Amino acid sequence: DTAVSQTPKYLVTQMGNDKSIKCEQNLGHDTMYWYKQDSKKFLKIMFSYNNKELIINETVPNRFSPKSPDKAHLNLHINSLELGDSAVYFCASRKSTGGANYGYTFGSGTRLTVV
Amino acid sequence: AQTVTQSQPEMSVQEAETVTLSCTYDTSESDYYLFWYKQPPSRQMILVIRQEAYKQQNATENRFSVNFQKAAKSFSLKISDSQLGDAAMYFCAYRSGFYNQGGKLIFGQGTELSVKP
Repeated sequence: DTAVSQTPKYLVTQMGNDKSIKCEQNLGHDTMYWYKQDSKKFLKIMFSYNNKELIINETVPNRFSPKSPDKAHLNLHINSLELGDSAVYFCASRKSTGGANYGYTFGSGTRLTVV
Repeated sequence: AQTVTQSQPEMSVQEAETVTLSCTYDTSESDYYLFWYKQPPSRQMILVIRQEAYKQQNATENRFSVNFQKAAKSFSLKISDSQLGDAAMYFCAYRSGFYNQGGKLIFGQGTELSVKP
């Protein structure tokens, strides 16, 4: 069983479209994250949810909207896609309670290409 | 704000040799954690090693060890007996120990390691 699974793994779409990326974890973690890896492979935090509550919202265009229906799921919806949104998006999860040193588990990433 | 800097965009090592990847960070916090992640071409993020700031002893994991210099804010990764499978992008990362930071990872720019047979 995959611990953190993202769908789809690849997404090619046209500018102006709206798309969603889904993430699910079966580890019982309470905190989930979205990271963006750009074309230079730089990784940057976008959002984080803890027990369905948004706790991190970095400087991200409001075309990006995360949603967490429950602790095991975190989705990312992107409106009006632009060329600059092309990147690899990683979902990750961790258990925050009981100490701050619990490690992350990453999904395998979604490569989004906007044409 | 915390920052992480990896000054070596690319490194190369001969198989079976030792290589050291550099990382420096900047923070005013006293409670934090440092990590090295490996990203092979499959793009999966794999934790290599972790260091708690409050621990003076350097972390080791088999062929991987760190040199943690807290005063100098330096956190280098040493890979001994390099293997072809070590070829990957390596990221240094920082995480605050304070709960109100949400546990986010702050990454360096990455170092692309190639291993020559």
